Amino acid sequence: DGGITQSPKYLFRKEGQNVTLSCEQNLNHDAMYWYRQDPGQGLRLIYYSQIVNDFQKGDIAEGYSVSREKKESFPLTVTSAQKNPTAFYLCASSQDRGTSQETQYFGPGTRLLVL
Amino acid sequence: KNQVEQSPQSLIILEGKNCTLQCNYTVSPFSNLRWYKQDTGRGPVSLTIMTFSENTKSNGRYTATLDADTKQSSLHITASQLSDSASYICVVSYLSNFGNEKLTFGTGTRLTIIP
Repeated sequence: DGGITQSPKYLFRKEGQNVTLSCEQNLNHDAMYWYRQDPGQGLRLIYYSQIVNDFQKGDIAEGYSVSREKKESFPLTVTSAQKNPTAFYLCASSQDRGTSQETQYFGPGTRLLVL
Repeated sequence: KNQVEQSPQSLIILEGKNCTLQCNYTVSPFSNLRWYKQDTGRGPVSLTIMTFSENTKSNGRYTATLDADTKQSSLHITASQLSDSASYICVVSYLSNFGNEKLTFGTGTRLTIIP
């Protein structure tokens, strides 16, 4: 899991509720990412950030929001607009998104369940 | 459409035996191919990364091969151990129209090692 931490490990959401997943890295990496993992599917990119105060939508950004106020932190908010939020959420970071051989280091993940 | 297909979907082998996992892709233009190991309920961990010009790369008992002409890769595990039980994910990257790197994830092969 490298120097990336995610919390909580498990999170329960009630209908209509926004919840925020935490992701912190101490690797001094510039780029950070959020992925969603569902059974039988490959990881899908939700949002990514290459630098502080800047972030871009991934392939499935609808119903999610992020912020990047500090280099080491990239929290993900799952809003009530996300109708099927139950999934395993993975945060990752890399030194520089522009370099093709940069390895992405993943956190331990947060499992989100809907009550 | 950029796709990454892995086979088999699942595999069970005896401890000490060798095995080979397959990855076929249609991603273009190809940038690099990575293999990740993901333990249940944890984040993926990088095993190897190969560029277009590399045919093989090893990491301990793991050896990855790449045939860029046929767009195929394999991950060979030698003398399997119980700790090899995990999902193995093939990830292919390409450069988008905007010049940034994008990743396409396979759905993984679930490997179970039995004593």
